Amino acid sequence: DIVMTQTSLSSPVILGQPASISCRSSESLVHSDGGTHLSWFQQRPGQPPRLLLYRISNRFSGVPDRFSGSGAGTEFTLKISRVEAEDVGVYYCMQGTQFPHTFGQGTKLEIK
Amino acid sequence: QITLKESGPTLVKPTQTLTLTCTLSGVSVSTSGVAVAWIRQPPGRALEWLALISWDDDDRYSPNLRRRLTITKDTSKNQVVLTMTNMDPADTGTYYCAHRNYYASGSPLRTYDYWGQGTPVTVSS
Repeated sequence: DIVMTQTSLSSPVILGQPASISCRSSESLVHSDGGTHLSWFQQRPGQPPRLLLYRISNRFSGVPDRFSGSGAGTEFTLKISRVEAEDVGVYYCMQGTQFPHTFGQGTKLEIK
Repeated sequence: QITLKESGPTLVKPTQTLTLTCTLSGVSVSTSGVAVAWIRQPPGRALEWLALISWDDDDRYSPNLRRRLTITKDTSKNQVVLTMTNMDPADTGTYYCAHRNYYASGSPLRTYDYWGQGTPVTVSS
């Protein structure tokens, strides 16, 4: 299985400030179809996961443009340009390149 | 609008078999490119992918749980069913079904764009 490892945020984030979460995969996520199938999900308290980004950097419908993604191969980053109160929750990266699909352990975003 | 809704027992006893149903609206499970996965989340812990079935009946499983899982679909009811045998307290958590459409964007889409609200399952005697 591909292991997904996420970084923790070192401290609560100040409203309006940027935040960055990293995700590393144990193998390259480049698929034979040419795509790199790394997704990011947001899970607010008591809610199901919500798709934010797919194929590294493509925003899903309705996702604010303050969310962006970057990376390649095995290293990926989710960036929030200006954190808002509604961004509180846990963020997961997921690889869809190889079965079984696997998730990172989650990174909790708290607001200061 | 695509929606998914999970249903099933909230409490099962150890060694029993769990059967969960995911009912889809706004999309057919037999539409080319559509797949439905089951993903679970123990309390306070991370997401764990369990199984997936595609429109063409191709199915995939978590190797760790393969012996205990069966995923099927009922096109007449537009449902996907997951059975998990020999339930254990470690299987306690919220179980989600999630939709994927391989052809949803210009390039292959290998992620889950719509999720159900989840159904809680507790395994206890």
